[in-house]
Amino acid sequence: AQKITQTQPGMFVQEKEAVTLDCTYDTSDPSYGLFWYKQPSSGEMIFLIYQGSYDQQNATEGRYSLNFQKARKSANLVISASQLGDSAMYFCAMDEGQGGSEKLVFGKGTKLTVNP
Amino acid sequence: EAGVTQSPTHLIKTRGQQATLRCSPISGHTSVYWYQQALGLGLQFLLWYDEGEERNRGNFPPRFSGRQFPNYSSELNVNALELEDSALYLCASSLEGTETQHFGPGTRLTVL
Repeated sequence: AQKITQTQPGMFVQEKEAVTLDCTYDTSDPSYGLFWYKQPSSGEMIFLIYQGSYDQQNATEGRYSLNFQKARKSANLVISASQLGDSAMYFCAMDEGQGGSEKLVFGKGTKLTVNP
Repeated sequence: EAGVTQSPTHLIKTRGQQATLRCSPISGHTSVYWYQQALGLGLQFLLWYDEGEERNRGNFPPRFSGRQFPNYSSELNVNALELEDSALYLCASSLEGTETQHFGPGTRLTVL
């Protein structure tokens, strides 16, 4: 069963505007972590942001913030002030279990294009 | 701090051959993970090594195997290559007790 759902195959945003990339997840484990990674055309997966299931506050890292709604099982990524270099594939991922990561389960990704 | 490194960058093999992919984790990281990113299939977890032991395995046949060395570097071996093994193979590492996996640049394997 698919555990991470990213419903937006592609998104477009104007430079300097904000954009939200959607992610919903499914798990019965009370302890889990949610991640967002960026994959440029070069292929390397770049870690952006992490949210633990017990974290009370939404995670933020510079221009990236994670809108964590636990009851809705959603973990949307918000990118503020988009830049041309933000054009890439974005993957939402989840790990389950306590005490360090075991394996990550990834969504199918969203291709973000930032227009000048 | 040097990131995760992988070699080779590209690898071309023919069907039936064996491929060996290598990964060096970030210094101090003891866990190494392997993922396959095949066209149309997304990112799939392959293997997890920690302290030299295989800790978890994804839904892949036994011809996908690997090992972790005392210096925590790792090898992924793929035997009896099939055309559908063509993919980007990504290695990641993490620090013990932490959540985040840091990825390397990947090895692109092409099976002809």
